[in-house]
Amino acid sequence: QTVVTQEPSFSVAPGGTVTLTCGLSSGSVSARYYPSWYQQTPGQAPRTLIYNINTRSSGVSDRFSGSILGNKAALTITGAQADDDSDYYCVLYMGSGNWVFGGGTKLTVL
Amino acid sequence: QVQLQESGPGLVKPSETLSLTCAVSGFSISSGSYWGWIRQPPGKGLEWLGSIYYSGNTHINPSLKSRVTLSVDTSENQFSLKLTSVTAADTAVYFCAAHRRPESTIAVAAYYFDDWGQGSLVTVSS
Repeated sequence: QTVVTQEPSFSVAPGGTVTLTCGLSSGSVSARYYPSWYQQTPGQAPRTLIYNINTRSSGVSDRFSGSILGNKAALTITGAQADDDSDYYCVLYMGSGNWVFGGGTKLTVL
Repeated sequence: QVQLQESGPGLVKPSETLSLTCAVSGFSISSGSYWGWIRQPPGKGLEWLGSIYYSGNTHINPSLKSRVTLSVDTSENQFSLKLTSVTAADTAVYFCAAHRRPESTIAVAAYYFDDWGQGSLVTVSS
């Protein structure tokens, strides 16, 4: 069974830029996987950031952008702020009506 | 503004059935969109359980297909989840969410989760 992989943790300095990735244990992520990205702070429901690779959800800052980089989906955060300190999850469509979440990346802004 | 609210028992005994309902306000379920369930065990990541269309068409996580049943009640503008034969591993916060299609495509693959409920903690314990 193919697993959706994400970095377990990442850190970025305030004002810095960070790119989180979303890959596959076997194979490459392409546009047909329609990656989406979600931000979650402890005790809260997830918040939708990006869908359809690079479309920002309503109200999401343009500091967040999505792309396909090499063989992975990517979420880039520019000008990191303290409230970006959160968990980030990607979702990939795996075919046959099956959506799979990655394990999540804990981003620390320090 | 679309709002979703989960409801159901917070405690379920092992081997019994977990039942949750998600009430939708600000949007008619019958207007389109799939409606999904996602869960998160304490301290762990998110897991998609399944999604249902207003017509009753469903997509279910293959690893849970034998235990998950989804239903929709358009008259009450709500949808429901049943998870049978629960164990302690099913203890989690259960979220409901709109499972929407971008306007730019009709592809089922493009559906994404949006407008989340606040979540409902369900503990499986005797």
